[in-house]
Amino acid sequence: NAGVTQTPKFQVLKTGQSMTLQCAQDMNHEYMSWYRQDPGMGLRLIHYSVGAGITDQGEVPNGYNVSRSTTEDFPLRLLSAAPSQTSVYFCASGVQDNQPQHFGDGTRLSIL
Amino acid sequence: AQSVTQLDSHVSVSEGTPVLLRCNYSSSYSPSLFWYVQHPNKGLQLLLKYTSAATLVKGINGFEAEFKKSETSFHLTKPSAHMSDAAEYFCVVRGSGGYQKVTFGTGTKLQVIP
Repeated sequence: NAGVTQTPKFQVLKTGQSMTLQCAQDMNHEYMSWYRQDPGMGLRLIHYSVGAGITDQGEVPNGYNVSRSTTEDFPLRLLSAAPSQTSVYFCASGVQDNQPQHFGDGTRLSIL
Repeated sequence: AQSVTQLDSHVSVSEGTPVLLRCNYSSSYSPSLFWYVQHPNKGLQLLLKYTSAATLVKGINGFEAEFKKSETSFHLTKPSAHMSDAAEYFCVVRGSGGYQKVTFGTGTKLQVIP
């Protein structure tokens, strides 16, 4: 049982480039979410999904898009990367919108 | 509105001595409270949760936390620190409603000195 799998683990982008961070879970969880973690700020919610075909914005959605075509996958797209998006990104899944959530190991993203 | 404050950004203890990580919260509703641990280059792992049952909550790896409504606190403790406890710890509050009502603390880094 792999849990929540995030790829890639590390990525360096140039300003203006686009990319997709992948997230997959094999626990048949309905709820999935993306967070960013910045020093001294805890985790902040970017986007979340309560089931296939349903997504919504979190606290810091600007510059990011998501889609949920299957229960298993919840990719996060950076449309035009900016240095302010340098961060560690975590994907999480859960049985319901309450805690606890299962977290992936993160994607460390640097924008130059 | 809700918030969570972790009172120490860094805590250092000697191996075998007690651990105390402090967390205060504010919430308009009866909250659910959680502690997560994050080891280097890893995701967050749930240690324990309080959801309005017993006020003293026991978690994994010998950790426990006590919900004190009068003090709006949910401090994390462990009687005897182990080297493997060195990590960052996050206190999380959840009010009523969905994802939008989850607030993470800024984290406390625990150093364990041999």
